[in-house]
Amino acid sequence: EIVLTQSPATLSLSPGERATLSCRASQSVSTYLAWYQQKPGQAPRLLIYDASNRATGIPARFSGSGSGTDFTLTISSLEPEDFAVYYCQQRSNWPRTFGQGTKVEIK
Amino acid sequence: EVQLVESGGGLVQPGGSLRLSCAASGFTLSSSWVHWVRQAPGKGLVWVSRINNDGSDTRYADSVKGRFSISRDNAKNMLYLQMNSLRAEDTAVYYCVRDLGGAADVWGKGTTVTVSS
Repeated sequence: EIVLTQSPATLSLSPGERATLSCRASQSVSTYLAWYQQKPGQAPRLLIYDASNRATGIPARFSGSGSGTDFTLTISSLEPEDFAVYYCQQRSNWPRTFGQGTKVEIK
Repeated sequence: EVQLVESGGGLVQPGGSLRLSCAASGFTLSSSWVHWVRQAPGKGLVWVSRINNDGSDTRYADSVKGRFSISRDNAKNMLYLQMNSLRAEDTAVYYCVRDLGGAADVWGKGTTVTVSS
């Protein structure tokens, strides 16, 4: 099973700041990595698929990069609605696995 | 509008069974793989199972293998998850998720399963 490790666990930032979230895989997943955003009481929302492709309707301030074992989700300038939990997920191998999540909170 | 709506959750005793349903609307379910993903209270997301377009191939997490069974009825645009021998650790919100070419782009709102005596 591929283990995805997200860091940091919590990121405390102010609106307008840049957020950089990391996801590291225990073995290569090529570019088969996605990022999701989840707000309290809501279902997750797809942000990025295949490492760097923004999903439909996702603002340009969200970008993804990386390949192999190291991936990054960047939010260029945090909006109030971006404070949430973010998960990465790999689709390279079965079983599909998620990271444990990074909470982006208001500083 | 493209959406998935789960139903069938509830309170069940350990060792009991439940069948979750997921109704698709706004698109043809047969055009995509579909997954079940769950989330225990206050915890992260966990992948549970996947079924391919025509139902000929299924995959399961080790934690549910042999107890859960995923199926679909494309004629009815429906997905199912039969859950047997339920345990306390199966308590979670269960999400139905469309997978279109590798992008899990549509999620239902979830249905809550509570396993408790």
